[in-house]
Amino acid sequence: SQTIHQWPATLVQPVGSPLSLECTVEGTSNPNLYWYRQAAGRGLQLLFYSVGIGQISSEVPQNLSASRPQDRQFILSSKKLLLSDSGFYLCAWSPRGGDTEAFFGQGTRLTVV
Amino acid sequence: RKEVEQDPGPFNVPEGATVAFNCTYSNSASQSFFWYRQDCRKEPKLLMSVYSSGNEDGRFTAQLNRASQYISLLIRDSKLSDSATYLCVSKRGANNLFFGTGTRLTVIP
Repeated sequence: SQTIHQWPATLVQPVGSPLSLECTVEGTSNPNLYWYRQAAGRGLQLLFYSVGIGQISSEVPQNLSASRPQDRQFILSSKKLLLSDSGFYLCAWSPRGGDTEAFFGQGTRLTVV
Repeated sequence: RKEVEQDPGPFNVPEGATVAFNCTYSNSASQSFFWYRQDCRKEPKLLMSVYSSGNEDGRFTAQLNRASQYISLLIRDSKLSDSATYLCVSKRGANNLFFGTGTRLTVIP
């Protein structure tokens, strides 16, 4: 069966520090991969999605970047965090093609102080 | 205009009640639809897909109206454990998943 791992679960970082969140998927090949952010009391905002290694699409201009160095690995990064980067970050995957749903990792709760 | 819109609630209902949520989508090219459930401080989890002919899973019934571009979720005989935020989702193409902001449900003893 397929599983998705995301870590760390919680993170407190000072303003201006770098960020690296990692997500890996097991049990499938060529997944579509997504990074979402959910601010407190708000909906899910799509940040990035990827259809293959090295292929990243950005949905919103921001202080963040994403990379996909391997087929089942998706990394969210920032060189310098802002207070507004605080939120609940969720990685998700869906099978390539088709009208299928997405499956989420357990999320990382980031607080920038 | 948002791709998917839903009433944020909150909906506070007694145990055993029937409650319905509606959601509208703006793009007629949307191909598939889902309802997710999100518990407080947890990741969203798929509750059910929404099929054109409507579908039922136990106490939950989902319906799709393409002409009016809305989907609905009906929960019968509400349980305390149904308390959560319900997210409406549309999918367009292989990569584009759009989430509503969620409807918060609290089932009261």
